Amino acid sequence: GAGVSQSPSNKVTEKGKDVELRCDPISGHTALYWYRQSLGQGLEFLIYFQGNSAPDKSGLPSDRFSAERTGESVSTLTIQRTQQEDSAVYLCASRGDGLTNTGELFFGEGSRLTVL
Amino acid sequence: GNSVTQMEGPVTLSEEAFLTINCTYTATGYPSLFWYVQYPGEGLQLLLKATKADDKGSNKGFEATYRKETTSFHLEKGSVQVSDSAVYFCALKDTGRRALTFGSGTRLQVQP
Repeated sequence: GAGVSQSPSNKVTEKGKDVELRCDPISGHTALYWYRQSLGQGLEFLIYFQGNSAPDKSGLPSDRFSAERTGESVSTLTIQRTQQEDSAVYLCASRGDGLTNTGELFFGEGSRLTVL
Repeated sequence: GNSVTQMEGPVTLSEEAFLTINCTYTATGYPSLFWYVQYPGEGLQLLLKATKADDKGSNKGFEATYRKETTSFHLEKGSVQVSDSAVYFCALKDTGRRALTFGSGTRLQVQP
């Protein structure tokens, strides 16, 4: 696609429910990142995928959070048993590699999650 | 660990005023430094970057100089426009790390 696409753009859920957030990166981008942006806070790194390498999960805040990516395509971030403190905007970004790697991250518009 | 500290907003300026948004960092290696901008209703996009000490990044009239001695990367623009109203994020990428570390963002409001 032309840019990074995220869905849903807005999600309201009840505490304790599971949610899935989807990211479709720029075609050909091998690197994919998930960040979380809470109100008044900076961007918090969650997880990083690079091609077929093992993902860097060092930013995931708890075992309720997980993410998958199949090859170099779509990624899904799953939050189980959501809590109110999970309310935030979840941002996905992708980056090219090799000749297309300028170091720049290309961000989607985010998925705003509200846990009631 | 790595960290980025930005001045708190919002910063409110009149059109054509001079802009400075302060950014300082802490890093263990030799980081690359970035400014990203988020316009209302849009995703973050790269504004400018600098990869080594004394480099100056520039774009759209904005500039920032990588100052290793003061661990700073302040964003400046000589004459802001209403269209510059956005949230500005300072970020670093340290050597050996793949993820960028972001500051908390500074909201700029430019009034006509």
